[in-house]
Amino acid sequence: DAKTTQPNSMESNEEEPVHLPCNHSTISGTDYIHWYRQLPSQGPEYVIHGLTSNVNNRMASLAIAEDRKSSTLILHRATLRDAAVYYCIAPNSGGSNYKLTFGKGTLLTVNP
Amino acid sequence: EAGVAQSPRYKIIEKRQSVAFWCNPISGHATLYWYQQILGQGPKLLIQFQNNGVVDDSQLPKDRFSAERLKGVDSTLKIQPAKLEDSAVYLCASSPRGDRDREQYFGPGTRLTVT
Repeated sequence: DAKTTQPNSMESNEEEPVHLPCNHSTISGTDYIHWYRQLPSQGPEYVIHGLTSNVNNRMASLAIAEDRKSSTLILHRATLRDAAVYYCIAPNSGGSNYKLTFGKGTLLTVNP
Repeated sequence: EAGVAQSPRYKIIEKRQSVAFWCNPISGHATLYWYQQILGQGPKLLIQFQNNGVVDDSQLPKDRFSAERLKGVDSTLKIQPAKLEDSAVYLCASSPRGDRDREQYFGPGTRLTVT
């Protein structure tokens, strides 16, 4: 898997946008970038994934740098429910099995 | 659609005892994963099944851990005998296929405490 680097923690205010960065400088051209989050006492939850172009869904947006060495998860209006650990993962696309390797992620705190 | 189901949600055992966890994936999902999450860390993959065959068990401590997925649906993970360091949350996840562009769906996990 491509090594990913995320800040240990970030803080945001409710109803403000949040930009969560991730560096993945060793990513290959066919590796997808996945984001998951884990709310307290729950299993991880899929957020979004992308390959080259920016992606949007109902939960978030994913902005991928042109050289693909970094990406940013964007929460457009943070709510208290978005407080969680966010994991950026770039699984190796080669081989017969495809698995996620979780790091420690970024702990997002949302202030009311 | 129903999510990934796991039971029990909590389990407390003494070291050297055995324990088993059960997982029912989302209907129709061919790929099933078991993860171990130690407090303060991200989940670590223990074993991956594609239907009822093992795809990857490279990080499964095979001297004490075993897993099976009979008929390619439900799965059980067993620890025998348990050690103190096995205290963790055990997560089950499933995916339609183990493809690089498909998401995994996680269950709520089983919190195991070994005393």
